[in-house]
Amino acid sequence: GNSVTQMEGPVTLSEEAFLTINCTYTATGYPSLFWYVQYPGEGLQLLLKATKADDKGSNKGFEATYRKETTSFHLEKGSVQVSDSAVYFCALSDQFRAQKLVFGQGTRLTINP
Amino acid sequence: DVKVTQSSRYLVKRTGEKVFLECVQDMDHENMFWYRQDPGLGLRLIYFSYDVKMKEKGDIPEGYSVSREKKERFSLILESASTNQTSMYLCASSFSSLRQGRQPQHFGDGTRLSIL
Repeated sequence: GNSVTQMEGPVTLSEEAFLTINCTYTATGYPSLFWYVQYPGEGLQLLLKATKADDKGSNKGFEATYRKETTSFHLEKGSVQVSDSAVYFCALSDQFRAQKLVFGQGTRLTINP
Repeated sequence: DVKVTQSSRYLVKRTGEKVFLECVQDMDHENMFWYRQDPGLGLRLIYFSYDVKMKEKGDIPEGYSVSREKKERFSLILESASTNQTSMYLCASSFSSLRQGRQPQHFGDGTRLSIL
């Protein structure tokens, strides 16, 4: 079945550092890929998405590219801020009617000033 | 903006009680989902529904049931609550791929449920 493997956390960085959170997937067919972010005490918010190979999703300075050849969707940001501290989830959805999501285990990111 | 509203942020119940968690969305979404979130396990799908009165089991349906009598409302029911059901529960909704192509899910803020 479909699965998502995400970089183990927690990850701690200093402000303005470069961020990479690795995500790889196993899926049949042509999944869509997502990064969701969860701030403390809140639900999940969509950060970015990509629906086909070589698509690049981007939002709020974050980027991720759908790489079918390496089955990866790594999240990157060039210069992180304290406000980026949150839990990040990589997810894939199948192409069927309900588009069920399969999530990675989440990576807790803490940015120190 | 899409709004997914869960009826309670925090809930404390006792073992053996029947527990209802309610979720309402205001965007005419066909699909609705219930997940539980546990540390180190990410989110796991309990049940989902792609239409009114339709429901399908997710990955961990045991001990749960659901009800979808109206398009905007999706209820999760713990028939006889147990301590291992203490968790964060998240509701989500989305358009059907038949109507809107590939669309993301939108999440509520979650209900933190404690079973004593």
